[in-house]
Amino acid sequence: ETGVTQSPTHLIKTRGQQVTLRCSSQSGHNTVSWYQQALGQGPQFIFQYYREEENGRGNFPPRFSGLQFPNYSSELNVNALELDDSALYLCASSLYGTDTQYFGPGTRLTVL
Amino acid sequence: SQQGEEDPQALSIQEGENATMNCSYKTSINNLQWYRQNSGRGLVHLILIRSNEREKHSGRLRVTLDTSKKSSSLLITASRAADTASYFCATEDQAGTALIFGKGTTLSVSS
Repeated sequence: ETGVTQSPTHLIKTRGQQVTLRCSSQSGHNTVSWYQQALGQGPQFIFQYYREEENGRGNFPPRFSGLQFPNYSSELNVNALELDDSALYLCASSLYGTDTQYFGPGTRLTVL
Repeated sequence: SQQGEEDPQALSIQEGENATMNCSYKTSINNLQWYRQNSGRGLVHLILIRSNEREKHSGRLRVTLDTSKKSSSLLITASRAADTASYFCATEDQAGTALIFGKGTTLSVSS
């Protein structure tokens, strides 16, 4: 198991609501990436944060936003939830400039 | 964009047998990584092979990389029931920021 933790484990929301997911990095890591994994698919990159700023973004709309804090932990915020946002959300931490990302256990979001 | 695509989509074997899964990608890479995911949980990093390497071993895992064919294979020898999981290959985007995953191979090992 990696040292990356995520909360909550599961979450149920209704369409139109807003959600915040949280991630704590592995010790010594300064970069956090977020991925969305729909059922039966591989993870898709949402964005990455380094030095509290967005360092890259995938093909996701602006209602997906994030934060990174001075202790390198991170939040993923999703506004105006849609049914298709139902997925496993994975956080991964790494040391900037290195190749390997270490994943947390994920948050399962269900939008009804 | 770069993308790994795994083959086969699903694989069922008996304990003790070897399991081979393949990955193809589209553009030049610096490295290729393999990850394992147990029943909808987080991904576990298995092995990274760099573009100048042809083969790499880690325990019961053997990874090969053929950059001329833009393909990689993951061999798990002497499979165990605990190897039951989904396996993904991943390459980096051009910025070296995002990992690009395929849809994965689902491996079932029965005892």
